[in-house]
Amino acid sequence: KNEVEQSPQNLTAQEGEFITINCSYSVGISALHWLQQHPGGGIVSLFMLSSGKKKHGRLIATINIQEKHSSLHITASHPRDSAVYICAVTGNQFYFGTGTSLTVIP
Amino acid sequence: NAGVMQNPRHLVRRRGQEARLRCSPMKGHSHVYWYRQLPEEGLKFMVYLQKENIIDESGMPKERFSAEFPKEGPSILRIQQVVRGDSAAYFCLAGENTGELFFGEGSRLTVL
Repeated sequence: KNEVEQSPQNLTAQEGEFITINCSYSVGISALHWLQQHPGGGIVSLFMLSSGKKKHGRLIATINIQEKHSSLHITASHPRDSAVYICAVTGNQFYFGTGTSLTVIP
Repeated sequence: NAGVMQNPRHLVRRRGQEARLRCSPMKGHSHVYWYRQLPEEGLKFMVYLQKENIIDESGMPKERFSAEFPKEGPSILRIQQVVRGDSAAYFCLAGENTGELFFGEGSRLTVL
């Protein structure tokens, strides 16, 4: 079993839709990260969370420490949001989810 | 994620050659992790280093792969006698106890 599980693995949405990607983890953590990777591109850190909620533009990330669960929301999705979104946690080491591949269709 | 420099960004090698990938974290970052991303797959842990020490190399193949992070200079991931299956993106990650993550842009190795 992976320490970090993401769902869904693949997601296709129409432009403008509200999108949610989920992440569950099984280890003790000091922080949770949401990362974005465009095809063939580098990895960009979107959020680092240890509690509560953070918002940046159309992106919102929440974490529930008790339930060991985090969600990444994208409001008013746009084709340029198409990317792989990766959940990672900082525990004894860094653990990564396998990613959610998002495609937003115009 | 400015501050973690990886080079080369792209590297082409023929089977049997050596590949050297470099990672220069920001000054003050003494923890370096190397991850490999095979095509269409997620990030897989390879090795965790601190200055002059290998902390955890459990994800690194025993044969042909080695890593170092000297007191001075970049961290180096070295792959000897490359094979086609080594073709992947290799990411360097620098982190500190604050939990912040800093990624390099990755080095994409293609083995012909």
